[in-house]
Formats: sequence, C-alpha cells, structure tokens
Amino acid sequence: KAGVTQTPRYLIKTRGQQVTLSCSPISGHRSVSWYQQTPGQGLQFLFEYFSETQRNKGNFPGRFSGRQFSNSRSEMNVSTLELGDSALYLCASSLDGVGNQPQHFGDGTRLSIL
Amino acid sequence: GEDVEQSLFLSVREGDSSVINCTYTDSSSTYLYWYKQEPGAGLQLLTYIFSNMDMKQDQRLTVLLNKKDKHLSLRIADTQTGDSAIYFCAETYRSSGYALNFGKGTSLLVTP
Repeated sequence: KAGVTQTPRYLIKTRGQQVTLSCSPISGHRSVSWYQQTPGQGLQFLFEYFSETQRNKGNFPGRFSGRQFSNSRSEMNVSTLELGDSALYLCASSLDGVGNQPQHFGDGTRLSIL
Repeated sequence: GEDVEQSLFLSVREGDSSVINCTYTDSSSTYLYWYKQEPGAGLQLLTYIFSNMDMKQDQRLTVLLNKKDKHLSLRIADTQTGDSAIYFCAETYRSSGYALNFGKGTSLLVTP
C-alpha cells in the first residue's frame, strides 16, 4: 500500500508570491491534515479536511488555505508569502480523523522563501 | 493546545536501553503517539497507546502511560545506531475536530 505522497519535495519562492502544495493520502483514507514544522515553533497544526470539508483549523492567518477533492487528495495554498513561512509542510492522512485512528505522514514539502 | 513537554536531548551507548519521557496536557486525549523523524524525512509512526491502557509492547518498543501524572514514556531496548533520530510525543486534542499536539521532540544520539 503506497504511503502519503507530497509534491513537490522542495520549493523556492520569493516574498509576495503564492504557492500550492499537494498531498495524496493513503488509499481509503478520507481525512487529510496539514502541519507546519519550523525549528522555532516545532510542529503546528494548520487544518484538517474530511469529505471535502474543512473540519478543524489551527491558529494560522487566512493566507493559509486548503481544499480537498472528491478523491481525498488535498492541496494547501499560501498567498503573499513571508520569510517566516519558510518551513517543512507535512501532510498526514487517517481513515476518518476522529482521534482513534493514527495519522500517517508524508515526507513533506520543504518551502524556502527568499 | 498547551505545551507537551519532552527533554530535548538523550545520548546512549549502542546496546543499552533508551527511555524518552513526555508530559502531556489534555486528560481527555484518547490516543497518545510516538513518531520518529530522521534527517530530511517526514514523521514515521512508531507506536501509539489508547488512554485506558497502562502499557503497550511492540518488539523493541515499550510504551508506559501514567494517566494520573499525564506522563508517557517510550523505551527502546537494545538501541542501535540506526535509532538515532528525533522522537516526538503527540496527544490528540479536540476542538471542532481532532488534531495532534506535538512536543518539541527529543534528539536521540546512539554512540558505538
């Protein structure tokens, strides 16, 4: 069974640009969550999607948004990029995301802002 | 969520046991997790324990849970150099859905 796939693995952008990251969950998993990992703040929850609906949201500005498609694949978008958005963005999937199913993570997209 | 606490660094000799400790915050957490992260990689799920259990063993890994003190530990028996990585403890917390609240990670260094 294939794991969680994130593309691209690396991205370099400049301030003010926008970026879209993609995540394909494990087959059969319907919940997709996104996390940001930085050296200073550690791992922070961004949002969670289930059945194409955002079900849970962390404490991030509106520049961070996402969506989920009918095949459970998810995209995350960051607009008006800032230097502080440089981070590893991790996607995780689980069967139904109701807390009793473990989340499985992809290898992440490393975003660098110049 | 509030802070999940872990010690930042642990060094052990190859063949010894490693014990990584974690203090979590949410007494209503249903599951508690241990993840491993190697350089340049994502998070690998190692093991998890349901909150009504005290202990779970999985090959070289033993998880102990003290719900009264909100304390979780991960013991790795016969630690190998390949176990060198960052280990994260995580609790589930519920707002409108479920999310994981992570500790800052414990960097385990295994020396020959």
